[in-house]
Amino acid sequence: AQTVTQSQPEMSVQEAETVTLSCTYDTSESDYYLFWYKQPPSRQMILVIRQEAYKQQNATENRFSVNFQKAAKSFSLKISDSQLGDAAMYFCAYRGNNFGNEKLTFGTGTRLTIIP
Amino acid sequence: NAGVTQTPKFRILKIGQSMTLQCTQDMNHNYMYWYRQDPGMGLKLIYYSVGAGITDKGEVPNGYNVSRSTTEDFPLRLELAAPSQTSVYFCASSPTGGIRQPQHFGDGTRLSIL
Repeated sequence: AQTVTQSQPEMSVQEAETVTLSCTYDTSESDYYLFWYKQPPSRQMILVIRQEAYKQQNATENRFSVNFQKAAKSFSLKISDSQLGDAAMYFCAYRGNNFGNEKLTFGTGTRLTIIP
Repeated sequence: NAGVTQTPKFRILKIGQSMTLQCTQDMNHNYMYWYRQDPGMGLKLIYYSVGAGITDKGEVPNGYNVSRSTTEDFPLRLELAAPSQTSVYFCASSPTGGIRQPQHFGDGTRLSIL
């Protein structure tokens, strides 16, 4: 079974600075997808960024980028120019490519605080 | 632009009571999912469905039942509520099960069993 580990329960960053959230995972599959979801106090789960395992190029979405290290099974999220609205819980998630295994496996989350 | 709609948003139940959490989506998605999120934890899959009439167990199915009679609706039923089922419940959907398809989440239902 796949597992996703987020070893940082809480992180804080000064507004306008850069922060990196860590995520590692364990799988025996070769093709899969990785996601970062943001959950603000409103509780809604918002997709931030996604990465296909077969792509070597790291995904980027505006101020959000990932550092995907397939051999190390690491998938960190970098937030540049942090803004107050970035304060939220961030969840790393894994999704396999085998039929019957399309469900998401989530990490336990990292609570990000932005310091004004 | 409704997306995934969950009702109710909040509910308090007594031990042993039953209730149904409603979930409906208007995006014609085939795949639907129910997750629970316990305090300080990530989401865990309860049940999922790959299309009308087809459901399957996830990681934590005990104490729950689902049905999928239409593409739009995927209700989650608690038959005999227990304190361990106090949690926030999320419904999600995706067009297919393909890994490139992100799941769209509802706003969640906060359920307390007292």
